[in-house]
Amino acid sequence: QVQLVQSGAEVKEPGASVKVSCKTSGYTFTNSAVHWVRQAPGQRPEWMGWINNGNGDTNYSQKFQGRVRITRDTSASTAYMDLNSLRSEDTAVYFCARPTPEGSGWYDCYDYWGQGTLVTVSS
Amino acid sequence: DTVMTQSPDSLAVSLGERATINCKSSQSVLYSKNYLAWYQQKPGQPPKLLIYWASTRESGVPDRFSGSGSGTDFTLTISSLQAEDVAVYYCQQYYSVPRTFGQGTRVEIK
Repeated sequence: QVQLVQSGAEVKEPGASVKVSCKTSGYTFTNSAVHWVRQAPGQRPEWMGWINNGNGDTNYSQKFQGRVRITRDTSASTAYMDLNSLRSEDTAVYFCARPTPEGSGWYDCYDYWGQGTLVTVSS
Repeated sequence: DTVMTQSPDSLAVSLGERATINCKSSQSVLYSKNYLAWYQQKPGQPPKLLIYWASTRESGVPDRFSGSGSGTDFTLTISSLQAEDVAVYYCQQYYSVPRTFGQGTRVEIK
């Protein structure tokens, strides 16, 4: 069965960086993509960006451009999200999500999600 | 960015009654299909996909959930509210980048 399993909670000081991993299983990693979505407490989900697991192409929300980097390790079927220059407003649960497959491609609504990783930014 | 606005922010419905949630996008999400999805989120869980292409039910989703609408105006209907439907519901557009979500509608039991 399809699973996305994320790394554990992190506590970081302002200005630091965080790296969250998302290990996938149950489907062909390189035939898909991984998107990253974050959700601050009591807020709507917020899309950050995505990576094409096949060719490594990425696309980021302009809001996070320059601060976020999404990578993948095809041998481990794992995607990663790096966010730097952390500030208190980055405190949120970070999710990885799989776009829904259709034919040989996909469309960007999300049928499987990771369990979420709480990142707390505090001095 | 395409802004997604839901109404109401919350609603309380009696068990077995109908719940209706609206979602309006700031620009059309129609291009042969409506690039609009609905999710259900319960506390401590990720969102769960209910509806995509505005009206296609995801596999395993009960048929009391239905979606309708086109262009900029969409509706999620729960035809007969069950206790397990208590949650926050979000719409999401996947027509343009960045992908964006509505602010959520909290559904409770009256």
